[in-house]
Amino acid sequence: QVRLQESGPGLVKPSQTLSLTCTVSGDSMTSGHYYWTWVRQPAGKGLEWIGQFYTAGTTIYSSSLESRVTISVDTSKNQFFLKLSSVTAADAAIYYCARAPLVGGGNSLNYWGQGTLVTVSS
Amino acid sequence: DIQMTQSPSSLSASVGGTVTITCRASQSISRYLNWYQHKSGQGPKLLIYTSSNLQTGVPSRFSGSGSGTEFTLTISNLEPEDFATYYCQQSFSPPFTFGPGTKVDIK
Repeated sequence: QVRLQESGPGLVKPSQTLSLTCTVSGDSMTSGHYYWTWVRQPAGKGLEWIGQFYTAGTTIYSSSLESRVTISVDTSKNQFFLKLSSVTAADAAIYYCARAPLVGGGNSLNYWGQGTLVTVSS
Repeated sequence: DIQMTQSPSSLSASVGGTVTITCRASQSISRYLNWYQHKSGQGPKLLIYTSSNLQTGVPSRFSGSGSGTEFTLTISNLEPEDFATYYCQQSFSPPFTFGPGTKVDIK
């Protein structure tokens, strides 16, 4: 069974870079064609789509974050990554990684991690 | 960006009852609309993809319909585990925006 697990620092200082890792288990990232996606949820708010990396190398980002965000993949480690620069208090949230199949699911996110809480504070 | 709205923002329902949640898109998204169930402390769970397709393992009491700009999620015969927050998401055009959510709690 496919599992995704987020990891990374739970506390980031303002103006610094938030870096998170999503480790995929139960399947190789190269076994098929997928979109590797990050989503976040600020406290008390709804879900916000951050961006996705397609295994062929294409990335798409949220309009509001694209100047600060990078999503990358290391298939040799079965991991993908989120970097968000120049963070502010508004970036504090639970961050989720997720996977969408390229074919057959309409780009719906059918596997999710449990989420990791990131606090922004000095 | 495509804006998504949901109504109502919250509702109360009884076990065994039926609820309907509406999701609207700011422009036509064909049938590229997905529904997720989210409980605190867990990752969201995909229920319905491309408007009406039931994700594997999801009970048949969940159903979805719609196309273009208006969509509905219906939950029949509510079970205690169905009390959660439900989100729609468009996957027609990036960024793949979510609706603001509908919280379903026990009456």
